[in-house]
Amino acid sequence: EIVLTQSPATLSLSPGERATLPCRASQSVSSSLAWFQQKPGQAPSLLIYDVSTRAPGIPARFNGSGSGTDFTLTISSLEPEDFAVYYCQQRVNRPPVITFGQGTRLEIK
Amino acid sequence: QVQLVQSGVEVKKPGASAQVSCKASGYTFTSYYMNWVRQAPGQGLEWMGVINPNSANTRYAQKFQGRVTMTRDTSTRTVYMELSSLRSEDTAVYYCATQSFDFWGQGTLVTVSS
Repeated sequence: EIVLTQSPATLSLSPGERATLPCRASQSVSSSLAWFQQKPGQAPSLLIYDVSTRAPGIPARFNGSGSGTDFTLTISSLEPEDFAVYYCQQRVNRPPVITFGQGTRLEIK
Repeated sequence: QVQLVQSGVEVKKPGASAQVSCKASGYTFTSYYMNWVRQAPGQGLEWMGVINPNSANTRYAQKFQGRVTMTRDTSTRTVYMELSSLRSEDTAVYYCATQSFDFWGQGTLVTVSS
């Protein structure tokens, strides 16, 4: 089973700063790498799929990149509403097996 | 618009079973798989499995094999997830999510306590 590691567990930044959230896979993964945002008391919401494609309605300040085992979610200039927990996810299709990283909490410094 | 509406809070004793439902609307129900994901208090997301509403075929995460059953009722556009032999570690919020995880239910809290 592929393990996704997100480190650090918590990232403290200020509004307006650039956030870089890494996600490392235990072995090379396909392009089925996605990112989710979760705010307290809410279901997760899809930000990025297929490594770098923004989901509908997601602002351009959110960007995904990477390949192989190393992937990154970048938020170019943090807005107050961006402080939340972010999860990466990989998907193997045949047979379907899905794993999530343990998450990175983005908090206001 | 796509909506997934889940059933309400469940409180169960250890050893019992819990069933959570997820009613879909706003799209062709049989065209997209449905996933189940859970989240223990203060913890991350854990994928449990997926059901094809068209064929009823399922695929479960290895961790839940033998304890989870996912079914669907096409007449009511509803998928169900039943988890048996509950233990305290199964206390979590359970979510349904569409095939590409672009739409999620609101979550259902299942509490397991004696």
